[in-house]
Amino acid sequence: EDQVTQSPEALRLQEGESSSLNCSYTVSGLRGLFWYRQDPGKGPEFLFTLYSAGEEKEKERLKATLTKKESFLHITAPKPEDSATYLCAVRSYSGGGADGLTFGKGTHLIIQP
Amino acid sequence: DGGITQSPKYLFRKEGQNVTLSCEQNLNHDAMYWYRQDPGQGLRLIYYSQIVNDFQKGDIAEGYSVSREKKESFPLTVTSAQKNPTAFYLCASSRRDAYEQYFGPGTRLTVT
Repeated sequence: EDQVTQSPEALRLQEGESSSLNCSYTVSGLRGLFWYRQDPGKGPEFLFTLYSAGEEKEKERLKATLTKKESFLHITAPKPEDSATYLCAVRSYSGGGADGLTFGKGTHLIIQP
Repeated sequence: DGGITQSPKYLFRKEGQNVTLSCEQNLNHDAMYWYRQDPGQGLRLIYYSQIVNDFQKGDIAEGYSVSREKKESFPLTVTSAQKNPTAFYLCASSRRDAYEQYFGPGTRLTVT
C-alpha cells in the first residue's frame, strides 16, 4: 500500500524567510510524485511533477526536488500570497488496483508580513 | 478557457436523500476522478473512469455511484447508504498519456 507523509503539519514563516516542506513516500514503484497548492475552500492547483531521483523543477519562488524516499518543496523568500496548504501525492505501479493518486495530509503554510 | 467545473459550490441535504454532484470538463481529457476531502485527512479516491462507459471503484466507493455517458461529464451520486456524506468533494481529470491530474473547484456537501 502506498503511503505519503508530509511534515511539518503547519509552518509559520516571516516574509522573506526561506524554508522547506518535506514529503516522505513509500511505494512499490514510483510513476510520479506531484505537488499541489490548495487555498481554503478551493480545489488543488497543480504545481510540479517529478519522475525520478535527482530531478528538480522550479516555478517562481518554489523549487521541488526528489530522492528515492522523499521530496522537498523549497520556498525561497516567500511572500504572504504563498500562504496555502501544499499537498504531495504519488502514483505508483501497484496502486492497489486503483488508478488515482495517493495524497499526504498536507502542510499548512502561513507567511506573515 | 479550458477547465473543470463543479456544481453546485455548496449543497445541503437531509439525511436519507440521494444527491448528485456535477462535474464537467472541456480539456478533452480521457480520465476523470472523484475524491473526497475531510479535515485533517488526505484526499481519498472514490471512483475513476479512464474511458466513456467504463469506471472503477477507488478506495472508498461504498455508498457512492457514478456514470460516464459522455467524455466531458462524470457525475457522482451520494446515496443514503453513505454513512458520513458531509465532506468536500473534488473532481479531477487527466490525459491518458500523463499522470498529473487537474482539479475542479469542489462541492461542499452538508447532510443533516
